[in-house]
Amino acid sequence: SAVISQKPSRDICQRGTSLTIQCQVDSQVTMMFWYRQQPGQSLTLIATANQGSEATYESGFVIDKFPISRPNLTFSTLTVSNMSPEDSSIYLCSVAWGGTNYGYTFGSGTRLTVV
Amino acid sequence: DAKTTQPNSMESNEEEPVHLPCNHSTISGTDYIHWYRQLPSQGPEYVIHGLTSNVNNRMASLAIAEDRKSSTLILHRATLRDAAVYYCIRAGNTPLVFGKGTRLSVIA
Repeated sequence: SAVISQKPSRDICQRGTSLTIQCQVDSQVTMMFWYRQQPGQSLTLIATANQGSEATYESGFVIDKFPISRPNLTFSTLTVSNMSPEDSSIYLCSVAWGGTNYGYTFGSGTRLTVV
Repeated sequence: DAKTTQPNSMESNEEEPVHLPCNHSTISGTDYIHWYRQLPSQGPEYVIHGLTSNVNNRMASLAIAEDRKSSTLILHRATLRDAAVYYCIRAGNTPLVFGKGTRLSVIA
């Protein structure tokens, strides 16, 4: 399975600012995913990021708020823009491995606090 | 919509087997059944997945009902390190959609 390095592991940010989260994978993967986990909740899919195409966002998430880059098959970034305290969450990236018989690996997450 | 049903919580004694149930009555013929767990302050961790046949790996076993409408994750000997939230997910060629999962507590 793939190994993911996610940075930063945590940050405290001022409202109105932006934070870019990086996800580096140790092997080439086609599909990468970004999730949000609000306090005490389960994971919610934000978007799917495939290299060479625009990210596909889930209902309730928009590109202006969560722009995503996927410059190559081992790297992706998620930016949380114009942050408010409601954006305080854990953000996780994930990749699929194993070809059509998918398993998934997750990063350790970025714990974001907006003050 | 996670499309799976799991108990909110379960409790087990250390070194006892644990059977975590999951109902997925509307599963399609091509959906795999995945299990992930999330330990405190960590990202989800892959446990096991399967399609029709029972599956075994070093972490657990997955027993899938013949009609595929339910499955059971089996931890053969629970340890304190197995205390986590366990997610049962049906997945095809799409991203994983998480439900609330089962919070497993392990008692020493």
